[in-house]
Amino acid sequence: DAKTTQPPSMDCAEGRAANLPCNHSTISGNEYVYWYRQIHSQGPQYIIHGLKNNETNEMASLIITEDRKSSTLILPHATLRDTAVYYCIVMLDRGDKIIFGKGTRLHILP
Amino acid sequence: DGGITQSPKYLFRKEGQNVTLSCEQNLNHDAMYWYRQDPGQGLRLIYYSQIVNDFQKGDIAEGYSVSREKKESFPLTVTSAQKNPTAFYLCASSRGDYLVETQYFGPGTRLLVL
Repeated sequence: DAKTTQPPSMDCAEGRAANLPCNHSTISGNEYVYWYRQIHSQGPQYIIHGLKNNETNEMASLIITEDRKSSTLILPHATLRDTAVYYCIVMLDRGDKIIFGKGTRLHILP
Repeated sequence: DGGITQSPKYLFRKEGQNVTLSCEQNLNHDAMYWYRQDPGQGLRLIYYSQIVNDFQKGDIAEGYSVSREKKESFPLTVTSAQKNPTAFYLCASSRGDYLVETQYFGPGTRLLVL
């Protein structure tokens, strides 16, 4: 079973910030939070990852709560091309495998 | 350009037939993975390999087999024992670092049963 829970779907207006929540209440101290996204019929694309500090890159920002039990992925200015399923993942021991849940289907509305 | 390639993009299988999906990477990654994705579902791990000549079963290995004779290649065979093979198959690789793992995915192969 996935160690994360996400809402099944969300809508966001084009040009606005998309904030995707994720709960990972059983995360352990050395596990990282990763975000991937999958555009229809393509392979998953890495977005960002973090341990406990907030992170930002050219694609997104990742906000992790102080207790690390939840996080939020922020797409600052959503475009129609950001329509995808977004997966929040907690990396297991040695990163041997990733358990993908069902993710959040993000719809960007024109 | 470095990356992961999968072939073919679409594959058709007849009843009782074994088919092999190709996965090649030129990222010099030690670890490679195979996932299966069914419509509307997340990815499920089939097999993974952390080093050449070694591999482990994932969550849904029954009906599948793999080999890892070269670092760059991790082919997946869907055998006739896999009763519901129609799915989207994704190959991934990672460096194999102990603490931080970022997996990079190929474009996928869609397998259809005739």
